[in-house]
Amino acid sequence: KQEVTQIPAALSVPEGENLVLNCSFTDSAIYNLQWFRQDPGKGLTSLLLIQSSQREQTSGRLNASLDKSSGRSTLYIAASQPGDSATYLCAVTANDYKLSFGAGTTVTVRA
Amino acid sequence: DTAVSQTPKYLVTQMGNDKSIKCEQNLGHDTMYWYKQDSKKFLKIMFSYNNKELIINETVPNRFSPKSPDKAHLNLHINSLELGDSAVYFCASNHRGGELFFGEGSRLTVL
Repeated sequence: KQEVTQIPAALSVPEGENLVLNCSFTDSAIYNLQWFRQDPGKGLTSLLLIQSSQREQTSGRLNASLDKSSGRSTLYIAASQPGDSATYLCAVTANDYKLSFGAGTTVTVRA
Repeated sequence: DTAVSQTPKYLVTQMGNDKSIKCEQNLGHDTMYWYKQDSKKFLKIMFSYNNKELIINETVPNRFSPKSPDKAHLNLHINSLELGDSAVYFCASNHRGGELFFGEGSRLTVL
């Protein structure tokens, strides 16, 4: 059974600092990995999707890396802003398309 | 034009009542999901339908019954509501394990 872990559970940084969010998974036979953002009282918004054959994906200030062999993905957010405050979740899709979510990292960016 | 829409957004009801939450996606996806997010914010898969057929049915009380009239709709009916059913229920959809799109959530409060 795939287990997805996100550490730390919460993170607080001053504005302008780079954010590093970690996601680890136990079964490296994955189809893809996605990073989501959830604002309070809202649904999840997809940020980046990395296919199993890819090593990284970039969108604006966001960069996500994937190392399947070690079962890790990292989401980097450059030059953080207060608007980046949210909960970030990673989800791993298995080859049978079954999804497993991490518990999320709640980020606070202090102005 | 909302990609995944669910109604109602808020639902307050008494214990023992029966209620339904509706979900529609206009993305042409073949797979739809229901997730439950509890007070600790952990996302738990409940059901998954692929082309109107049930493919995932996690350990959920049989008071919960999903219905998919067509591949663009997945409704959730809950009988005999209990206090522990209070949560936010999210509908989501994707195609062949691809990017997952979520609705805004339906917050159910059972009194």
